Amino acid sequence: EIVLTQSPGTLSLSPGERATLSCRASQSVSSYYLAWYQQKPGQAPRLLIYGASNRATGIPDRFSGSGSGTDFTLTISRLEPEDFAVYSCQLYGSSPMYTFGQGTKLEIK
Amino acid sequence: EVQLVQSGAEVRKPGESLKISCKGSGYIFTTYWIGWVRQMPGTGLEWMGIIYPGDSETRYSPSFQGQVTISADKSTSTAYLQWSTLKASDTAMYYCARRMLGYCTTTSCYEGFNYWGQGTQVTVSS
Repeated sequence: EIVLTQSPGTLSLSPGERATLSCRASQSVSSYYLAWYQQKPGQAPRLLIYGASNRATGIPDRFSGSGSGTDFTLTISRLEPEDFAVYSCQLYGSSPMYTFGQGTKLEIK
Repeated sequence: EVQLVQSGAEVRKPGESLKISCKGSGYIFTTYWIGWVRQMPGTGLEWMGIIYPGDSETRYSPSFQGQVTISADKSTSTAYLQWSTLKASDTAMYYCARRMLGYCTTTSCYEGFNYWGQGTQVTVSS
């Protein structure tokens, strides 16, 4: 079973700053199978990035994803007030079919 | 417009049974996998299992195999998640989500869930 570890657990930044979130897999994975989600309090998750670097429909271009192998990164270039949320990475695999990281909480400093 | 609409919040006692639903609309229900995701209070997302309504092929996470049953009714475009014997530890928010389809290159297809239900809160308490 592949484990996804996200860091940091909590990231405190101010609007306008750049956010860098990490998702590390316990073994090498295909970037096709790595996705990122945003979840705001009281809301369902929303797909941000699929295939490690492709923005989902309607996602602003300040969100970008990168990485390969075991290390993946979600970057938010300039934080807007609505970007403060929890971000989770997800991997498609064999068993279990899908795995989520534990999440990174992005909070206002 | 694609929509997944889940049934409302439920409160049950330990030992009781429960079935929650997720109704799809705005697309051909039988051609997209529907997954279920658990979120316990204050914690992250956990993938529980997935069903292909076209033929009811179902796959479970090992963590949830035998603990829940996932099913679908093509005639009503509805997927279900059910418990036969609830425990207090089943208290959580449950989401259904539609698996991406058709996002492919010549090499492979991308994975993810691009449509989500609004969530169903399940509370199990004596």
